Amino acid sequence: DAGVIQSPRHEVTEMGQEVTLRCKPISGHNSLFWYRQTMMRGLELLIYFNNNVPIDDSGMPEDRFSAKMPNASFSTLKIQPSEPRDSAVYFCASSQWGTDTQYFGPGTRLTVL
Amino acid sequence: EDKVVQSPLSLVVHEGDTVTLNCSYEVTNFRSLLWYKQEKKAPTFLFMLTSSGIEKKSGRLSSILDKKELSSILNITATQTGDSAIYLCAGMLIQGAQKLVFGQGTRLTINP
Repeated sequence: DAGVIQSPRHEVTEMGQEVTLRCKPISGHNSLFWYRQTMMRGLELLIYFNNNVPIDDSGMPEDRFSAKMPNASFSTLKIQPSEPRDSAVYFCASSQWGTDTQYFGPGTRLTVL
Repeated sequence: EDKVVQSPLSLVVHEGDTVTLNCSYEVTNFRSLLWYKQEKKAPTFLFMLTSSGIEKKSGRLSSILDKKELSSILNITATQTGDSAIYLCAGMLIQGAQKLVFGQGTRLTINP
């Protein structure tokens, strides 16, 4: 079975540009999570969805960040405009509702110059 | 504020040694504690602990939860260089849904 799929794997952009990260959860999983990982702050939950509905977005740093889940097999995390402090590895994870184990994708390493 | 703290932050040992990694949590509405191993890529799941005092074991790795002390340990015996990784501990909250709060991780290095 395919795991969580993320694209792109690496993204280098300039400050002010829009960045879109993509995620395909494991088939059959109905909970999806976006995390950000930095050396300073570790792994932080940004937002999570259940059955395509955002449940908790309290971790989203500011209005420049937005996330959508238009269907059960696809989600996007958008940063507009991007800033150098957004440089991090962004992980998507999925799980089955009611279970605690989350399975992580390979991550997108974002560098904003 | 919900918090998970791991110690030590970094550990260097020789191949064959036994290591113990610590995790303490202050998590409201605590449901379970999870351990992940992160090498160069994504965190991979190791254990989920919900009951106090019951050891979970997988090969050379084992873990146990102490709800009274709000802590957990991860033991690795007969360490190998392939065990070198960051080990992450996370507390799961009940908030009508799942929410993991991660510790900062322990960077384990096994030298040959």
